[in-house]
Amino acid sequence: RKEVEQDPGPFNVPEGATVAFNCTYSNSASQSFFWYRQDCRKEPKLLMSVYSSGNEDGRFTAQLNRASQYISLLIRDSKLSDSATYLCVVALTNAGKSTFGDGTTLTVKP
Amino acid sequence: NAGVMQNPRHLVRRRGQEARLRCSPMKGHSHVYWYRQLPEEGLKFMVYLQKENIIDESGMPKERFSAEFPKEGPSILRIQQVVRGDSAAYFCASSPQGRADTEAFFGQGTRLTVV
Repeated sequence: RKEVEQDPGPFNVPEGATVAFNCTYSNSASQSFFWYRQDCRKEPKLLMSVYSSGNEDGRFTAQLNRASQYISLLIRDSKLSDSATYLCVVALTNAGKSTFGDGTTLTVKP
Repeated sequence: NAGVMQNPRHLVRRRGQEARLRCSPMKGHSHVYWYRQLPEEGLKFMVYLQKENIIDESGMPKERFSAEFPKEGPSILRIQQVVRGDSAAYFCASSPQGRADTEAFFGQGTRLTVV
């Protein structure tokens, strides 16, 4: 079983749609969670951290469910510019490395 | 403030040659991470280094691969006797602290093609 598993995708949605991605992790001791965005095989960039109480940044909402060991990312009112691969990242806080999921590809169409 | 700098951006090597990938972290960052991304796959951790120390190399293949981060100069990922399966994008990231709860900043990557 992979340490971090994401929805296989791809997701193809029209502009304005709401789309949600899920990610599960296997290490119950994991403490740090992030969503990164990667465009066209360029370098990944941090989209948002995921906090225990859930957090929102504009059209993006991230949630964490420790009991079920999954995190989610909700994108409302999708824009064409949201088209990218979204990477779920999980880590032990005091560890140096992070574990990346394989990513979920989103394509937003006009 | 320049970001993480990787060079070369693209590298072509024949089978059996050596590949040397360089990474200069962001100013003030003393922790460097190397990741590999094979075509159509996600990023896979390779190695985590501080200046002059390898902290975690659990993702490094046992043979042909080595990494260093000297006191002066960039971090180097070295691949000896490259094979076609080494063709991938190699990303370097840096952070100010060796903690995974802080954002890691990535370089633009080096795309290695083995012919």
